[in-house]
Amino acid sequence: RKEVEQDPGPFNVPEGATVAFNCTYSNSASQSFFWYRQDCRKEPKLLMSVYSSGNEDGRFTAQLNRASQYISLLIRDSKLSDSATYLCVVTGDTGRRALTFGSGTRLQVQP
Amino acid sequence: NAGVMQNPRHLVRRRGQEARLRCSPMKGHSHVYWYRQLPEEGLKFMVYLQKENIIDESGMPKERFSAEFPKEGPSILRIQQVVRGDSAAYFCASSPTGFHEQFFGPGTRLTVL
Repeated sequence: RKEVEQDPGPFNVPEGATVAFNCTYSNSASQSFFWYRQDCRKEPKLLMSVYSSGNEDGRFTAQLNRASQYISLLIRDSKLSDSATYLCVVTGDTGRRALTFGSGTRLQVQP
Repeated sequence: NAGVMQNPRHLVRRRGQEARLRCSPMKGHSHVYWYRQLPEEGLKFMVYLQKENIIDESGMPKERFSAEFPKEGPSILRIQQVVRGDSAAYFCASSPTGFHEQFFGPGTRLTVL
């Protein structure tokens, strides 16, 4: 079983749509959680950290459910520029700070 | 404040040659991480270093790969006797401590002929 599992997509949505991505992780000792985005095999860029209380940054909302080991990302009012691969990322326990990446979910926003 | 810098951006080697990839972390960052992304796959952790120390090398292949982060100068990922399967994008990330977000460099794309 993969440490971080994501639906690979692609998700093809029209501009203005709301789209949700889900992710599950296997290590219950994971401490930190993030969503990164990656454009066309360029470097990953941090989109947002994810907290149990949920957090919102403009059109983006992230949620963490530790009991279910489940992370979500909601994008409202999709823009063409949102087209990218979204990477669900977790760290290990406090002794291990390396990032473990999911394989990514590809989003294509259509005009 | 310059971001994480990596060079070269593209590197072509023939089988059996050595590849040296360099990473200069962001100013003030003393923690460096190397990740590899094989074609059509996700990023995989390789090694985590602080100045002059390897903290975690659990993702490094046992043979041919080595990494260092000297007191002065960039971090170096060294691949000896490259094989075709080493062709990948190698990303370096840095962090001010081991507990902050990691910021990624643009990557080095290694092609082994």
